[in-house]
Amino acid sequence: DQQVKQNSPSLSVQEGRISILNCDYTNSMFDYFLWYKKYPAEGPTFLISISSIKDKNEDGRFTVFLNKSAKHLSLHIVPSQPGDSAVYFCAACTNAGKSTFGDGTTLTVKP
Amino acid sequence: DAGVIQSPRHEVTEMGQEVTLRCKPISGHDYLFWYRQTMMRGLELLIYFNNNVPIDDSGMPEDRFSAKMPNASFSTLKIQPSEPRDSAVYFCASSLWGTETQYFGPGTRLLVL
Repeated sequence: DQQVKQNSPSLSVQEGRISILNCDYTNSMFDYFLWYKKYPAEGPTFLISISSIKDKNEDGRFTVFLNKSAKHLSLHIVPSQPGDSAVYFCAACTNAGKSTFGDGTTLTVKP
Repeated sequence: DAGVIQSPRHEVTEMGQEVTLRCKPISGHDYLFWYRQTMMRGLELLIYFNNNVPIDDSGMPEDRFSAKMPNASFSTLKIQPSEPRDSAVYFCASSLWGTETQYFGPGTRLLVL
């Protein structure tokens, strides 16, 4: 049973436009949700997070939205830049410290 | 801080051989995680430690896999004997109690022939 799902394996957008990456989860006990970004031959790096008690968190060009009733979160990148091209992982964690990751979405931003 | 350090970065071995992967977490972090990334299964948690004690090893595939954390600054993941289906990228990550962010090492790319 996959508790965190990213249903789109890939996404391609034009530079300057908005990128929207989606993530669904099944466990209502998750306390935090995070997005990580991964470049080839590197480990994932933390991008942005949101607590389960909030519905939006913004950091520069990156905004994460959480819809608890739908068990859905999304990452918006505005405006998208070619350097944003990477694999994006959604993760959900409990206070126990353990995170569950989605399979990732490969974002390609075309110049 | 240098971040999470993993060695080796690449490992090529033959089926049946023992493989040992090493990790040095960020100083002061009290959680350490081992992950495996494959095309088929994505990024899956194998085991994690808190204050050097294994907390959850339910992700360890089978008895051929073992992990230790003898002290706060070092952990190993051992595969004995290795099989071709173990070929993957293995990541180590660490975090600080009370925070949700994990810091990943660069990974070890393992190829078992």
